[in-house]
Amino acid sequence: DTQMTQSPSTLSASVGDRVTITCRASHNSYNYLAWYQQKPGKSPKPLIYRASNLESGVPSRFSGSGYGTEFTLTISSLQPEDFATYYCQQYNSNPLTFGGGTKVEIK
Amino acid sequence: ELQLVESGGGLVQPGGSLRLSCSASGFTFYTYWMHWVRQAPGKGLVWVSRINNDGTATIYADSVKGRFTISRDNAKNTLYLQMNSLDTEDTAVYYCTRGQPDLSYFDSWGQGTLVTVSS
Repeated sequence: DTQMTQSPSTLSASVGDRVTITCRASHNSYNYLAWYQQKPGKSPKPLIYRASNLESGVPSRFSGSGYGTEFTLTISSLQPEDFATYYCQQYNSNPLTFGGGTKVEIK
Repeated sequence: ELQLVESGGGLVQPGGSLRLSCSASGFTFYTYWMHWVRQAPGKGLVWVSRINNDGTATIYADSVKGRFTISRDNAKNTLYLQMNSLDTEDTAVYYCTRGQPDLSYFDSWGQGTLVTVSS
């Protein structure tokens, strides 16, 4: 199985900050990597697929990069609605696996 | 508008059974591969199972293999998850999700249904 490790697990930031979340895969996942945002009590919302492609309707302040075993999600200027938990997911091999999540909190 | 609506969750005793349903609308259900993903209270996301578009191929996470069965009825635009021999570790919100053929990310999610396994 491909293990996905996210860091940090919690991040405290202020509105307007640039935020970067890292996701590392235990095996080469090429660019088969997605990012999701989840707010309390809600289902996850896809943000990025194929490591760097923005889902329709996702603000351009979100961006993704990386290939192979190291990936990043960047929020260029954090907005109040961005405080949430973010998950990465690899889809290069079965079983499909998620990272443990990064909670972005208000500083 | 694309919608995935889960139902069938509830409280069940350890060793019991439950069948979840996911009603799909707003897209051509029979062309998509479908998945179940779960999330234990306060925990992360875990993929559970996947079925191909015509229901002929299924795969499961090791933790549920032999106990859970995924199926679909394309005439009714409905996905199912039959859960048997439930354990307290199966307590979670179960999400119905849509994917692409074979390996995929999840481009649409239902609102989830809570399954609580407790005596």
